[in-house]
Amino acid sequence: SAVISQKPSRDICQRGTSLTIQCQVDSQVTMMFWYRQQPGQSLTLIATANQGSEATYESGFVIDKFPISRPNLTFSTLTVSNMSPEDSSIYLCSVVRQGTDTQYFGPGTRLTVL
Amino acid sequence: AQSVTQLDSHVSVSEGTPVLLRCNYSSSYSPSLFWYVQHPNKGLQLLLKYTSAATLVKGINGFEAEFKKSETSFHLTKPSAHMSDAAEYFCVVSGWNAGNMLTFGGGTRLMVKP
Repeated sequence: SAVISQKPSRDICQRGTSLTIQCQVDSQVTMMFWYRQQPGQSLTLIATANQGSEATYESGFVIDKFPISRPNLTFSTLTVSNMSPEDSSIYLCSVVRQGTDTQYFGPGTRLTVL
Repeated sequence: AQSVTQLDSHVSVSEGTPVLLRCNYSSSYSPSLFWYVQHPNKGLQLLLKYTSAATLVKGINGFEAEFKKSETSFHLTKPSAHMSDAAEYFCVVSGWNAGNMLTFGGGTRLMVKP
């Protein structure tokens, strides 16, 4: 498995502001993903974080709203921009090690937007 | 295309009785299948995975799942429920053609009564 940390673990933010969530892994991984889990729902993939290039977004998610960076093989950030109450969710990062197909998840960031 | 259906959104059992969480999948290719568990206010933890080896897969905490290709099912079982098993369980499918992308089921909330 991999040791994955996320910061912050939770936050309460005001409408119209932005929050950047960090995901740090203890070793190099090939793939990193960002998911959203709305209250009482399952997980939805936001995007694949590509090292050194633009993220690949899933349908319904755009870079202007969810900019993602991945400057190296162990770190990625997700920004939730111009937040509204509908953005209140748990945001999780996940990673895949080279040669495996198993995703391991971080502990998540619980975001509440007022 | 691939999809996952968890047949029960809620399952309630008494402590010490068997657990059965049902999952059916659809995939164009031989899939990898996973069960993840999410305890309240926690991230996702991998319980077990199937990757075309033995059809009966044993996981952590006494859970196991059987892959039945003819029924396109991957049900999760445990002989005797414990209070600490109360959590949300997700059945997940991944295929080599999907680039390690995970497709999540809707989740099953397991409640364990004393």
